[in-house]
Amino acid sequence: EDKVVQSPLSLVVHEGDTVTLNCSYEVTNFRSLLWYKQEKKAPTFLFMLTSSGIEKKSGRLSSILDKKELFSILNITATQTGDSAVYLCAVNTAYNTDKLIFGTGTRLQVFP
Amino acid sequence: NAGVTQTPKFQVLKTGQSMTLQCAQDMNHEYMSWYRQDPGMGLRLIHYSVGAGITDQGEVPNGYNVSRSTTEDFPLRLLSAAPSQTSVYFCASSEGQGYRNEQFFGPGTRLTVL
Repeated sequence: EDKVVQSPLSLVVHEGDTVTLNCSYEVTNFRSLLWYKQEKKAPTFLFMLTSSGIEKKSGRLSSILDKKELFSILNITATQTGDSAVYLCAVNTAYNTDKLIFGTGTRLQVFP
Repeated sequence: NAGVTQTPKFQVLKTGQSMTLQCAQDMNHEYMSWYRQDPGMGLRLIHYSVGAGITDQGEVPNGYNVSRSTTEDFPLRLLSAAPSQTSVYFCASSEGQGYRNEQFFGPGTRLTVL
C-alpha cells in the first residue's frame, strides 16, 4: 500500500528559528512530490519536486528531494508568525492522472 | 477567474439525510477530485475524475457518489449521511494527465452529521 509519512507531527518554535520538516514515502510508482501550506482554509501550493538533489527555493522556504532514500525536506529559515500553518506533503504516483496521496501534515506554530 | 468554488460553506445534516456538495472550476481543468480532511488524518481522496464522463474511486469512497457531466462541475453526493461523515470536504482541480500535478483547492465545506 502506498503511503506518505510526515514528521514531526507538530513543532513549536520562536520567530527567527530555522525549521526542517520531513516527508518520507513508500510508493509503487513515483512521479512527483508536492508541498502545500494550509492555514485556516484550503491548502496552497508551495513546491513540486521531480528530480533528486535539485533545490527549489522561494524566499525563506526551500525544499529538496532524495529519490534514492525516498524522502524530501522543507526548510524554513528566519521563521515568522505568518509561517504558522499545517504543511502537507503529497506524492503523485500515477503516470496518467494527477492523483495525489497526502501525508498527515506537520503543524508548525511560530511564537513571537 | 473564480478558480475552484464550493457550496455550501457549512452544512448540518441529520443521520440518514442526503445532500449534494457542489464544486465548480473555471480553469478548464481536466482533473478534479474530492478529499475529506479529519483531525490528524491529513487529506484522504474520496473520488476523482480525469475528464467529463470518467470517474473513479479514491481511498475512502464508501457512502459517496460522484458524476462528471461537464468539465466544469464535479458534485459529491452523500446518499444517507452518517456521523462518520462529519468532516471538512475539499474539492480540487488540476490540468490533468500528470502535466503539472499542482492542484488548486476550493475553500472547503464543513459538514456536521448529527
